[in-house]
Amino acid sequence: ETVLTQSPATLSLSPGERATLSCRTSQSVSSSNSLAWYQHKPGQAPRLLIYDGSNRATGIPARFSGSGSGTDFTLTISSLEPEDFAVYYCQQRSNWPPTFGQGTKVEIK
Amino acid sequence: QVQLVQSGAEVKKPGASVKVSCKAFGFIFIPYAMHWVRQAPGQRLKWMGWINPGNGDTKYSQNLQGRVTITRDTSANTVYMELDSLRSEDTAIYYCARQDSRGWFDYWGQGTLVTVSS
Repeated sequence: ETVLTQSPATLSLSPGERATLSCRTSQSVSSSNSLAWYQHKPGQAPRLLIYDGSNRATGIPARFSGSGSGTDFTLTISSLEPEDFAVYYCQQRSNWPPTFGQGTKVEIK
Repeated sequence: QVQLVQSGAEVKKPGASVKVSCKAFGFIFIPYAMHWVRQAPGQRLKWMGWINPGNGDTKYSQNLQGRVTITRDTSANTVYMELDSLRSEDTAIYYCARQDSRGWFDYWGQGTLVTVSS
């Protein structure tokens, strides 16, 4: 199965700063960029942020953006808001079964 | 408003079975594939399986084949995940998730903690 490796494990930043999260896949995902990003807060349901590599899901603020292709993908939060401190997961569905990264925790510095 | 509401936490002994429910609100789930994903303590999310609520077709993770069964009750807009022969390593939070038309998990349940302990 395709292994997703996220880095860094933890990102310590202040509100207003830019966050850059990385996700590397062990096999290339398809040209349609079959990669998504989710936000997860303790005790809550995960929330779809980005799908197909770079498309924001419904209701997701413009400060969230996704990029990348092949095996290297990035989630960028342009200016962190207090509600953005959470764990972020990437997920691929290009190769069966669907798999997730181990997560990057964005914490308040 | 779309919501997936899961049943409450469970504590089970090794060797027992657990059945977790996921009730859909705000949409008719028949057109949507429904998945189950779990997260053990300190581990990443792991996909378990899915069901086509329209015809009941299922597909499971090879790692869980034979121990997991996903079913649905269309009249109740509810899907179920049953896991047999529980082991301590099955201790995890279990999530149901809806697959949207693009193939992504656009809505998730709140999670159900299953603890397996003697």
